[in-house]
Amino acid sequence: DGGITQSPKYLFRKEGQNVTLSCEQNLNHDAMYWYRQDPGQGLRLIYYSQIVNDFQKGDIAEGYSVSREKKESFPLTVTSAQKNPTAFYLCASTSGSLGYTFGSGTRLTVV
Amino acid sequence: AQKVTQAQTEISVVEKEDVTLDCVYETRDTTYYLFWYKQPPSGELVFLIRRNSFDEQNEISGRYSWNFQKSTSSFNFTITASQVVDSAVYFCALRGGVRGAQKLVFGQGTRLTINP
Repeated sequence: DGGITQSPKYLFRKEGQNVTLSCEQNLNHDAMYWYRQDPGQGLRLIYYSQIVNDFQKGDIAEGYSVSREKKESFPLTVTSAQKNPTAFYLCASTSGSLGYTFGSGTRLTVV
Repeated sequence: AQKVTQAQTEISVVEKEDVTLDCVYETRDTTYYLFWYKQPPSGELVFLIRRNSFDEQNEISGRYSWNFQKSTSSFNFTITASQVVDSAVYFCALRGGVRGAQKLVFGQGTRLTINP
């Protein structure tokens, strides 16, 4: 079945570490997105990519980096520059036909 | 800039009551799309409805109904005869235009608790 796979489901990061969240889709969607969810703040856009080898900053890109080397994959790296990374991270994709597919999320905790 | 406001942070009702979740949006686009998503405790987003800016007809799907009013920039969601399984966080979202990055802008979400 087609969909988005996010891994891992839970991730723990030590202070000063970089960690990478995986997002893979087999829907042949061109556009992919990363959102961050904090309690009471809804979903905020971190980065998005409309095509392979191209991506743009969203509203809260500081402390994050991404790559889009393959259509199927859009990994998100949370760098040590992100001062408050504890949150729930959701990946999404769309073909542009107004249907969005979301992954099941990764919960990142700083320990 | 586009913005979605869900002023109700939390709502708690007793089962079988009707409940309305409010959504107010801002956009300068003449063509735009509005969405509602449900987020159960497991975390994934479940699509409920999409409405484009040219279609102001209200929609009903079982116990769910949506009221879209361009005059007040609102897209409210009503659950009739609520059930415990309706407990979740609900998000309203906006996507502007026919071109561009196709980004979804989300409201802050409303946590709905249905008590037995």
